[in-house]
Amino acid sequence: GQNIDQPTEMTATEGAIVQINCTYQTSGFNGLFWYQQHAGEAPTFLSYNVLDGLEEKGRFSSFLSRSKGYSYLLLKELQMKDSASYLCAVREAGSARQLTFGSGTQLTVLP
Amino acid sequence: DAGITQSPRHKVTETGTPVTLRCHQTENHRYMYWYRQDPGHGLRLIHYSYGVKDTDKGEVSDGYSVSRSKTEDFLLTLESATSSQTSVYFCAISQRGRQETQYFGPGTRLLVL
Repeated sequence: GQNIDQPTEMTATEGAIVQINCTYQTSGFNGLFWYQQHAGEAPTFLSYNVLDGLEEKGRFSSFLSRSKGYSYLLLKELQMKDSASYLCAVREAGSARQLTFGSGTQLTVLP
Repeated sequence: DAGITQSPRHKVTETGTPVTLRCHQTENHRYMYWYRQDPGHGLRLIHYSYGVKDTDKGEVSDGYSVSRSKTEDFLLTLESATSSQTSVYFCAISQRGRQETQYFGPGTRLLVL
């Protein structure tokens, strides 16, 4: 089984930078995903990491350290529309492609 | 955006009645999944399918059954709905490959009274 932890809530100011952390424990790792979910909507894919290091995609970046069981999602130049829940999900090796999701971090961006 | 639709989008039903939710995709993806999302629990996998007529149980499968008779359709059935099955249900699809990102449908809000 897996255990995934991420903060429940975060608040940041428009234009700022925010880092959302995710820690996980797994017996075999085969990739980590970040999703964004606005209230009342479906999760949408943001990023994927399977090797250690930083993946950058516009204002969003995601980092992975497999040895530490740790990832973060970095959001730059925050906009009001970035207010959403951010979900960390881990795929375990040999798990037939199943993802285990954290409970999500609710980010509120203030003007 | 992946072509995934779910029906119905909203449903209110009574305890003990059967309910079937439908997921339809136009992407010809091999893998399909059903999740439920509840406050404090995040997304939890109910059942998934790795091909036509090939399905398997997820973390919270009790009280649910699924069927996949065509590549494009994945049905989730609550044989006898209970109030604990009140939730938002999401379907997801993915294709075989290195990354196999899952893409989600719009969701179905189910209320069991």
